[in-house]
Amino acid sequence: AQSVTQLGSHVSVSEGALVLLRCNYSSSVPPYLFWYVQYPNQGLQLLLKYTTGATLVKGINGFEAEFKKSETSFHLTKPSAHMSDAAEYFCAVSDDGTASKLTFGTGTRLQVTL
Amino acid sequence: ETGVTQTPRHLVMGMTNKKSLKCEQHLGHNAMYWYKQSAKKPLELMFVYNFKEQTENNSVPSRFSPECPNSSHLFLHLHTLQPEDSALYLCASSSLDRGNNSPLHFGNGTRLTVT
Repeated sequence: AQSVTQLGSHVSVSEGALVLLRCNYSSSVPPYLFWYVQYPNQGLQLLLKYTTGATLVKGINGFEAEFKKSETSFHLTKPSAHMSDAAEYFCAVSDDGTASKLTFGTGTRLQVTL
Repeated sequence: ETGVTQTPRHLVMGMTNKKSLKCEQHLGHNAMYWYKQSAKKPLELMFVYNFKEQTENNSVPSRFSPECPNSSHLFLHLHTLQPEDSALYLCASSSLDRGNNSPLHFGNGTRLTVT
């Protein structure tokens, strides 16, 4: 069975500060890992994904995430937060890369302050 | 424009009403999904259709009835709902091809309130 834990349901950062959103997973096989973002009144949008290969994955809007097998983590980072980054972020894991087998975390709401 | 369009955006219905949610995808995908998003809970996968055939039904109550007439359209028929069914219902699509599975593309959702 696979699962996802997102530490911190709410994270607040100042504009220009580092963004770090945490995600830990459990999976019985090498995982496929995803980060999605949800802006208010919208559906989820793919930020980035890890399947195989390079463990540092770059996504849209300056975000990146690093797959660390030894820590079973896939934390999302951005060097400098922007007001437009305020949204809810979801980490997800899949055993086989198939969308129908995705397990989502409960989400982290990012607040960006001036 | 997300490529996946859901209507209506908002729906308020009584427990005795019958209504339908509609989803249309313009991405050429062959799989479509219904998800339920409730506050403080992970996204719940409800149904999956692959090439119009239902392949997943995650123990969803029968008051939710999906319909997939073709690979581009997906409906969720609702009847005799309960207040706890109030949530954001998200439609998504993807390509499920051997060795090349695309990520999910979501619509903007229908915010359902059951009174």
